[in-house]
Amino acid sequence: AQSVTQPDIHITVSEGASLELRCNYSYGATPYLFWYVQSPGQGLQLLLKYFSGDTLVQGIKGFEAEFKRSQSSFNLRKPSVHWSDAAEYFCAVAPTGTASKLTFGTGTRLQVTL
Amino acid sequence: EAQVTQNPRYLITVTGKKLTVTCSQNMNHEYMSWYRQDPGLGLRQIYYSMNVEVTDKGDVPEGYKVSRKEKRNFPLILESPSPNQTSLYFCASSLLTVDLQNTEAFFGQGTRLTVV
Repeated sequence: AQSVTQPDIHITVSEGASLELRCNYSYGATPYLFWYVQSPGQGLQLLLKYFSGDTLVQGIKGFEAEFKRSQSSFNLRKPSVHWSDAAEYFCAVAPTGTASKLTFGTGTRLQVTL
Repeated sequence: EAQVTQNPRYLITVTGKKLTVTCSQNMNHEYMSWYRQDPGLGLRQIYYSMNVEVTDKGDVPEGYKVSRKEKRNFPLILESPSPNQTSLYFCASSLLTVDLQNTEAFFGQGTRLTVV
């Protein structure tokens, strides 16, 4: 069965600082990987996704993520965080061939200090 | 506008009183699912449906029912709610496709349910 681990429950960064959110997955083959963001009181919005090919994926709002097969990781990065990035971030994995049956990590809550 | 609509957004109910949370999507998606979100546990899938009249259990189906009589609608039914079903619920829909560019799950705004 597939699984996702987000080791950091809560991260605080200063506005303008760089950000890296960690995600490790467990899956037998190459999975489909996603990062979603949940702003307070809102649903989930897709930031980016990885299926194959280039291991560095660009997403919306200036985010990127890098797939590292050897480490079973898909970490999310942003070079300069804005106060509006404060939210909860979820990494998710789906079996190869579909984005439908998602398994989510437990989430990382990002706090941004001014 | 492409969207997944859930109703109600907020609901407080008493133990044992049957309730239904509705979910509707306007994107002609085959796949629909329900998740519950609890602190420290992330989102866990309750039920999913791959098409009309085709539903199956997710990871935490106990205490829930679903139906898929029409492609656009996927209601979540709690026949006899209990306090441990107090949670934030999300409906999602997606295409079943090999077109990777269109492989994305769209989520509703969420329904915050409190069972007292």
